[in-house]
Amino acid sequence: EEQLLESGGGLAQPGGSLRLSCAASGFIFSSYAMSWVRQAPGKGLEWVSSINGRDYKTYYADSVKGRFTISRDHSKNTVFLQMKSLRHEDTAIYYCAKGITMTGVAYDYWGQGTLVTVSS
Amino acid sequence: QSVLTQPPSASGTPGQRVTISCSGSSSNIGSNTVDWYQQLPGTAPKLLIYADNQRPSGVPDRFSGSKSGTSASLAISGLQSEDEADYYCAAWDDSLNGYVFGTGTKVTVL
Repeated sequence: EEQLLESGGGLAQPGGSLRLSCAASGFIFSSYAMSWVRQAPGKGLEWVSSINGRDYKTYYADSVKGRFTISRDHSKNTVFLQMKSLRHEDTAIYYCAKGITMTGVAYDYWGQGTLVTVSS
Repeated sequence: QSVLTQPPSASGTPGQRVTISCSGSSSNIGSNTVDWYQQLPGTAPKLLIYADNQRPSGVPDRFSGSKSGTSASLAISGLQSEDEADYYCAAWDDSLNGYVFGTGTKVTVL
């Protein structure tokens, strides 16, 4: 059974950093794109970033470009999101999601989410 | 501000058919496939429809998707109380070089 387990969320100050992790199991991790999607309190879904399974090509939303970095470690079946220069508007539940193909963006499995709060 | 526009709400009685629209542009829906997600209160989103009209295994055939030009629709037939949730469309946007979600539609079962 496919599973995604996020960790690393918490409280950060504006301008600070956090690193989110998402441990995957139950599928061939290297064969699928992985992404992060966030949801601010009471708001809709916002795609944050994706990384392909084959060529490690990365994509970012304009709102996080230059501040966030997505990466993956196939030896650990884990995808990461390094977040720097955090802003109040980055406060959200961050979901890890698995693409349906190596480069696909339709997400067929999601983690339970990890809450990131940016506040002084 | 999302580039995919959905009505904020939709409703129906049990057994009715409800349709949710998703309006985009030539850079997203007009040139890429559309996906739909269901988000029950307090839970992670669930993929309902991908590639315009394909259902993942386990999704009831009461849910169907369609697309025409720069708009897409999700239809829920035989509405049930457990369908009460938020629904989001999504598509890749070639101009933004990113995946965009719709504004979301809250479905209420009366």
